[in-house]
Amino acid sequence: EVQLVESGGGLVQPGGSLRLSCAASGFTFSSYWMHWVRQPPGKGLVWVSRISSDGSTTTYADSVKGRFTISRDNAKNTLFLQMNSLRAEDTAVYFCVRDWGMDVWGQGTTVTVSS
Amino acid sequence: QAVVTQEPSLTVSPGGTVTLTCGSSTGAVTSGHYPYWFQQKPGQAPRTLIYDTSSKHSWTPARFSGSLLGGNAALTLSGAQPEDEAEYYCLLSYGGARLFGGGTKLTVL
Repeated sequence: EVQLVESGGGLVQPGGSLRLSCAASGFTFSSYWMHWVRQPPGKGLVWVSRISSDGSTTTYADSVKGRFTISRDNAKNTLFLQMNSLRAEDTAVYFCVRDWGMDVWGQGTTVTVSS
Repeated sequence: QAVVTQEPSLTVSPGGTVTLTCGSSTGAVTSGHYPYWFQQKPGQAPRTLIYDTSSKHSWTPARFSGSLLGGNAALTLSGAQPEDEAEYYCLLSYGGARLFGGGTKLTVL
């Protein structure tokens, strides 16, 4: 079964850091570009970042540029999102998404930035 | 940065037809924006219905179709069902970056 499972969310203070992971299974992870998408509580979807299949190309939303870093470990079938200098407005459910028509979504992991 | 616009809410009668639109503040939406459409129901992860303007996934009901219409991307639902009541989001590509619209709450009533 093709699956994406996010982890690493939690409560963090403003200015803190968090690293999200997304474990992929059921497909050849190294062949696909991947995205992170987030959804603040009660609000709409927000695209965050994407990474090429080999990790050499990355793109970020303006709102996270310079603070977040997307990366991947194809040997471990895992996508990452390193989040630094976190702000209250980064509070959201974070989804990882496979970029083949954005056909596979994880269930999300919740990040709460609050003191 | 561009802004992607959608109708905040729409209502359709069961069996009726409705068109949701997706516009860009930078000008006309074209196939080069590779428009996507997603459906999200409360408490669930989004599900992709349409990609690259009009392509469907295997799970996309035949009653949904995507197109370009009057300078916008469009999602048309023909023969609405009660289970189609949901939030719908479009996504446009701007080079490497992507932007979501604010979403359309579709009520089937």
